Amino acid sequence: AQSVTQLGSHVSVSEGALVLLRCNYSSSVPPYLFWYVQYPNQGLQLLLKYTTGATLVKGINGFEAEFKKSETSFHLTKPSAHMSDAAEYFCAVSDPSGGYQKVTFGTGTKLQVIP
Amino acid sequence: DTEVTQTPKHLVMGMTNKKSLKCEQHMGHRAMYWYKQKAKKPPELMFVYSYEKLSINESVPSRFSPECPNSSLLNLHLHALQPEDSALYLCASSPGKTSEQYFGPGTRLTVT
Repeated sequence: AQSVTQLGSHVSVSEGALVLLRCNYSSSVPPYLFWYVQYPNQGLQLLLKYTTGATLVKGINGFEAEFKKSETSFHLTKPSAHMSDAAEYFCAVSDPSGGYQKVTFGTGTKLQVIP
Repeated sequence: DTEVTQTPKHLVMGMTNKKSLKCEQHMGHRAMYWYKQKAKKPPELMFVYSYEKLSINESVPSRFSPECPNSSLLNLHLHALQPEDSALYLCASSPGKTSEQYFGPGTRLTVT
């Protein structure tokens, strides 16, 4: 069974600083990995995904993540934080060998951006 | 049309009421999902429909009853709910087995 661990339930960065949100996964087979963002009282929006191929994945709003199999990690980064990045971020893993798209979400990291 | 819509946005219901949540997508996606999300928690999977057939029921109490009338529409019928069922209910759809999910904005449910 797959699982996801997000280190740090709260992360604070200054506007313009590097954003780094950590995600480690556990999966018995090569996983599909996702980062979603959720703004208050809204649904989740896909930021980026890794399925196969290039391990550095670029997403929307300037975010990117790198799949590191040896470290079982999929950390999310953004070079320069913007006030509008303040939100809850969820890392998620799905097992492609399953018969359906069952996704396991991490517990989430709330990003605070300080002006 | 690249969005998932949910109605209503807010719902307040008593424990003896019967109500329904509605979810719609017109992206041709063949998988649709219901999630429950409590405050400061990740979404919890409730049901998965694949090609209009229920494929996953995550041991959800029978007071929640899903329905998929066609490939674009997903309902969640609610009956005799408890106050602890108050949460944000999210619908999502996915184009395939191994693809990302597209979420609706959710229905904020309060059970009094």
